Amino acid sequence: DAKTTQPTSMDCAEGRAANLPCNHSTISGNEYVYWYRQIHSQGPQYIIHGLKNNETNEMASLIITEDRKSSTLILPHATLRDTAVYYCIVRGMNYGGSQGNLIFGKGTKLSVKP
Amino acid sequence: GAGVSQSPSNKVTEKGKDVELRCDPISGHTALYWYRQSLGQGLEFLIYFQGNSAPDKSGLPSDRFSAERTGGSVSTLTIQRTQQEDSAVYLCASSLGTRLSGNTIYFGEGSWLTVV
Repeated sequence: DAKTTQPTSMDCAEGRAANLPCNHSTISGNEYVYWYRQIHSQGPQYIIHGLKNNETNEMASLIITEDRKSSTLILPHATLRDTAVYYCIVRGMNYGGSQGNLIFGKGTKLSVKP
Repeated sequence: GAGVSQSPSNKVTEKGKDVELRCDPISGHTALYWYRQSLGQGLEFLIYFQGNSAPDKSGLPSDRFSAERTGGSVSTLTIQRTQQEDSAVYLCASSLGTRLSGNTIYFGEGSWLTVV
């Protein structure tokens, strides 16, 4: 079972920041938070991941709370092409078998509107 | 190629026929994963390879499903005696497969299978 909880859907106006929350209250010390998105009919696309510190790359920023029980993915200037299902996934560091696997939940369907 | 490559991209087959789906992972990636996604559903893990061995086959839905990987690279997912409920997109993914922290998994675009 997925170890994360996300809202089913969110709307965002084009050009505004999209803030997607994720709860992972049972996360353990050796588990990372990963974000992927899936645009209709395409394979999941890696966005960003983090352990404790906030992370930023060309696609997004990831803010992880100090207790690591929740995080927020931020798309700073959402475009229509960012409309997708966004998955927050907790993944163990000790890879091998299902420990390194990605367990996908239902994600958040983000709709960016003009 | 630069990314995970899957073939065929689309396959329509008759019920009862066997199908083979191919995955070519990113060069140098030793870990390979197969997932399935039925229409409107989430991603379902099928099998994981580390090199040529499959330490985790827990997600294969029935004994009609099998997968192999030779040479530590290309993998083939085989579905025997296909049923209509096998219709889905089959996604392959790969990663470096080491114990390095933050070992990212990258996905291909999938093989769309329709069983008629």
